[in-house]
Amino acid sequence: GDSVTQMEGPVTLSEEAFLTINCTYTATGYPSLFWYVQYPGEGLQLLLKATKADDKGSNKGFEATYRKETTSFHLEKGSVQVSDSAVYFCALRRSGTYKYIFGTGTRLKVLA
Amino acid sequence: NAGVTQTPKFQVLKTGQSMTLQCAQDMNHNSMYWYRQDPGMGLRLIYYSASEGTTDKGEVPNGYNVSRLNKREFSLRLESAAPSQTSVYFCASTPTSNSGNTIYFGEGSWLTVV
Repeated sequence: GDSVTQMEGPVTLSEEAFLTINCTYTATGYPSLFWYVQYPGEGLQLLLKATKADDKGSNKGFEATYRKETTSFHLEKGSVQVSDSAVYFCALRRSGTYKYIFGTGTRLKVLA
Repeated sequence: NAGVTQTPKFQVLKTGQSMTLQCAQDMNHNSMYWYRQDPGMGLRLIYYSASEGTTDKGEVPNGYNVSRLNKREFSLRLESAAPSQTSVYFCASTPTSNSGNTIYFGEGSWLTVV
């Protein structure tokens, strides 16, 4: 079945460091791919998405490129801030289905 | 600007008690979902409703029932709560069947079963 695998956390970085959170997926066809962010005590909110191969999603300095050949959608940011501390979830939804499949989440902690 | 609204936000139940989590969305979305979030497990789908009048099981439906009351509302019922159902529950919705649609989440309901 469809699945999403994320790197385990927590990831601890200093402010202004470069961030990469790895995400790979298993799905037939061409799913849409998403990154969601969850701040403490809140629900998940969309960070960015890509709906076809080679698309790049971007928002708030974060980027991720849909790589069909490596079935990956890694999240990157060039310079993290303390306010980026949160849990990040990679997700997919396959065309023709209603289910969104989420990874286990990666906790990011940014130190000042 | 409400989006997806869940109630209650916090609840403590005794083993064997029943309760219903309520969810309503004001975005005219067709599809609605219930997820649970547990440490190290991410989000797991309990039930979903592709459209008004339909419901389907997700990954972890055992011990739960749902009702799609109308287009706006989708409730989750625990008939006989168990400690294994201690979790954070999220309701979510999405507009149409397009796989590129964003899914919108409520703020969560923290449930403890003792």
